Amino acid sequence: AQSVSQHNHHVILSEAASLELGCNYSYGGTVNLFWYVQYPGQHLQLLLKYFSGDPLVKGIKGFEAEFIKSKFSFNLRKPSVQWSDTAEYFCAVIYTGRRALTFGSGTRLQVQP
Amino acid sequence: DAGITQSPRYKITETGRQVTLMCHQTWSHSYMFWYRQDLGHGLRLIYYSAAADITDKGEVPDGYVVSRSKTENFPLTLESATRSQTSVYFCASGGAVYEQYFGPGTRLTVT
Repeated sequence: AQSVSQHNHHVILSEAASLELGCNYSYGGTVNLFWYVQYPGQHLQLLLKYFSGDPLVKGIKGFEAEFIKSKFSFNLRKPSVQWSDTAEYFCAVIYTGRRALTFGSGTRLQVQP
Repeated sequence: DAGITQSPRYKITETGRQVTLMCHQTWSHSYMFWYRQDLGHGLRLIYYSAAADITDKGEVPDGYVVSRSKTENFPLTLESATRSQTSVYFCASGGAVYEQYFGPGTRLTVT
């Protein structure tokens, strides 16, 4: 079955620390990759996406992600987190021939001031 | 420009009752989706629609019914609510590209 795995369920960092959240997807041919963020009490917002081309993509708020095809991974990074980055982060994939998103279980990020 | 709205935002209902969650989008997106969010599961697809009068099941469709008579609306009905359907429900829409835009969610509690 097509699936998405997020390895870190809960991450606690201090402000200015670097962030890397892991995401792996099961093989399914061509994929479109996304990271969404959900701030407390809010709806999901798109952070960044990868469809093709340069495997290093930059999104909003200083986030970036790298697609490594050989590892089926799409890890999210940020060099220096802020307290306002406290949120839940979801990796999601659209597999070939499908239109709906397959989500990972999410990573809750808590940034301490 | 409201974008995508959901109503109600909060709902408490009893086991066995029928409940309808509404979703409305103003972008004329062809695709619409219903997901449920549960702790430890992320978001799972319930149903989706590629256009008016075209719907298809997702990963967890049992106990739910959808319809799409108009492009902008995509209601989700729980025919006979069960406690296992207590969840947060998100509606999303998408156009020609693969991005999806999410509504604010409906928190449903079934007692």
